[in-house]
Amino acid sequence: GENVEQHPSTLSVQEGDSAVIKCTYSDSASNYFPWYKQELGKGPQLIIDIRSNVGEKKDQRIAVTLNKTAKHFSLHITETQPEDSAVYFCAANMNTGNQFYFGTGTSLTVIP
Amino acid sequence: DTEVTQTPKHLVMGMTNKKSLKCEQHMGHRAMYWYKQKAKKPPELMFVYSYEKLSINESVPSRFSPECPNSSLLNLHLHALQPEDSALYLCASSQSLYREMYNSPLHFGNGTRLTVT
Repeated sequence: GENVEQHPSTLSVQEGDSAVIKCTYSDSASNYFPWYKQELGKGPQLIIDIRSNVGEKKDQRIAVTLNKTAKHFSLHITETQPEDSAVYFCAANMNTGNQFYFGTGTSLTVIP
Repeated sequence: DTEVTQTPKHLVMGMTNKKSLKCEQHMGHRAMYWYKQKAKKPPELMFVYSYEKLSINESVPSRFSPECPNSSLLNLHLHALQPEDSALYLCASSQSLYREMYNSPLHFGNGTRLTVT
């Protein structure tokens, strides 16, 4: 199976509502989990990351939670705005060098 | 704006052409990467350079030839490509590779949109 599974693949929310994207990883050695936002015509940009020694991290409207026991981590966006519309990728680091397993991506649409 | 600059933004080339993609970063990062991204898919790793030396080649066909002239620059030389090589080519950098279990984010450029005709 995939090293990182990401759900859902598409997500539509009304402006102002919350959006949650979930990822599951399989490599028990992974200890660093970044999230990337990719807007149309641009490269992926880091929006938040979490290391395995914490369970939650928040930055304004964005938060990430990590459950190491269950090997789950999630991205939470509150008070969504149209400019949050993009493709979001989760990632988990590998045990070799600085390589990452990427999730399959979630296309988020925020409806004004 | 991204701190990793890629040129050109768009490139159309025939199967017999030779072209090069360029990438530059001034963040003092010592690891640089080439990724290939197809539409609606995550980036796929192609090459990794660490301290200007090629450290990872993910079984990429020889029609793709990377080069790292110095710690700030990364090139990808293209020759005799196939239409299925059409994709977004992303350059990224990070602080370094030399840790047992690294946890440093990748900084991506905005990519070169390549079309092979």
